[in-house]
Amino acid sequence: AQTVTQSQPEMSVQEAETVTLSCTYDTSESDYYLFWYKQPPSRQMILVIRQEAYKQQNATENRFSVNFQKAAKSFSLKISDSQLGDAAMYFCAYRSRGGGSEKLVFGKGTKLTVNP
Amino acid sequence: NAGVTQTPKFQVLKTGQSMTLQCAQDMNHEYMSWYRQDPGMGLRLIHYSVGAGITDQGEVPNGYNVSRSTTEDFPLRLLSAAPSQTSVYFCASSYLPVNYGYTFGSGTRLTVV
Repeated sequence: AQTVTQSQPEMSVQEAETVTLSCTYDTSESDYYLFWYKQPPSRQMILVIRQEAYKQQNATENRFSVNFQKAAKSFSLKISDSQLGDAAMYFCAYRSRGGGSEKLVFGKGTKLTVNP
Repeated sequence: NAGVTQTPKFQVLKTGQSMTLQCAQDMNHEYMSWYRQDPGMGLRLIHYSVGAGITDQGEVPNGYNVSRSTTEDFPLRLLSAAPSQTSVYFCASSYLPVNYGYTFGSGTRLTVV
């Protein structure tokens, strides 16, 4: 079974600075999807960014970008110009593309604090 | 657009009571699922469905039942609540295949005393 590991339970960053959240995953498959979700104190889960494994180019969404290292099975999230509204729990998730599996497997999350 | 609607948002149960968490989506999504979120555990899959009349178990199904009689609704039933079921529950849905992640409801915080 696939597993997703977020090794940093908590991180902090100064406002306007850059922070990187790490995520590694374990899979024997070659084709899959990866996601980052944000959960602010409101509890709502919000999709931040997604990456298709067969695409070499790293995904970007405004101030959010990923560093996807397929061989290393690593999928880190970089937040540039951090804002107070970025404070949240961040979850990394994996989805296999094959075998009819539609399930997302989540990591345990990283709590990001943004200091003014 | 309502998206995924979960009710109630908060609930307190006594041990042994039963209840149903409601989930409805208006996006005609084929896939629906229930997750529970516990501190330090991330989100764990309870049950899921790929269409009306089709359900299957996830990682932590014990103590929960589901049914999918319509595309829109996917209720989660707690048969006999236990303190170990104290958690935040999320309903999530998607088109098939799930290439763009899930749309989540706002969650239900359940406390079993």
